[in-house]
Amino acid sequence: QVQLVQSGAEVKKPGSSMKVSCKASGGTFRYYGISWVRQAPGQGLEWMGGITALSGTTNYAQNFQGRVTITTDESKSIVYMELSSLRSEDTAMYFCARCGPSLMGYLDLWGRGTLVIVSS
Amino acid sequence: SYVLTQPPSVSVAPGQTARITCGGNNIGSQSVHWYQQKPGQAPVLVVYDDSDRPSGIPERFSGSKSGNTATLTISRVEAGDEADYYCQVWDISSDHVFGTGTKVTVL
Repeated sequence: QVQLVQSGAEVKKPGSSMKVSCKASGGTFRYYGISWVRQAPGQGLEWMGGITALSGTTNYAQNFQGRVTITTDESKSIVYMELSSLRSEDTAMYFCARCGPSLMGYLDLWGRGTLVIVSS
Repeated sequence: SYVLTQPPSVSVAPGQTARITCGGNNIGSQSVHWYQQKPGQAPVLVVYDDSDRPSGIPERFSGSKSGNTATLTISRVEAGDEADYYCQVWDISSDHVFGTGTKVTVL
């Protein structure tokens, strides 16, 4: 049974960068896409972007263009999401989720989330 | 950008039926997916492609669509169904779009 295992919680300073990871445990996401979704405290879900594991093609939400970079180490079945120029509003739970190979459609498998707190 | 509108809250007595709506322009031509999120947990897909259920999701959860509104119906509501529910579509110009979310309270 494939699980998505995310890296641990982080505390970051404003202006710095964060990099969280998502590893496919018990399987591979080679034939899927991996999306990143964030949820600020008490708020809804917001898609940030995604990557197709096979080709490494990325697609980013307009709100995060220029600040987010998603990469993959397919040999290790790990996807990374880096967000730069952090501000307090980036304090949120960050989830990775599996989707179709074209990054379209539904998200059928989710990681447990990584809490990132941005505070001086 | 594409917007999906949900009622902020729905209250229902145990054993009754909860209906959660999701409105969006031209939603009739898109596939709608639904997620359940309990406090402190990751979302779980409960309905995909308008009305299909993933393996392991009870038949009490069903999806439908009419005009510009999609609906998630939870029949014979149980205390364990208390959660936030989100609809989602993939839009060619906005990519993944989530609804505003509905908190279901079991009375």
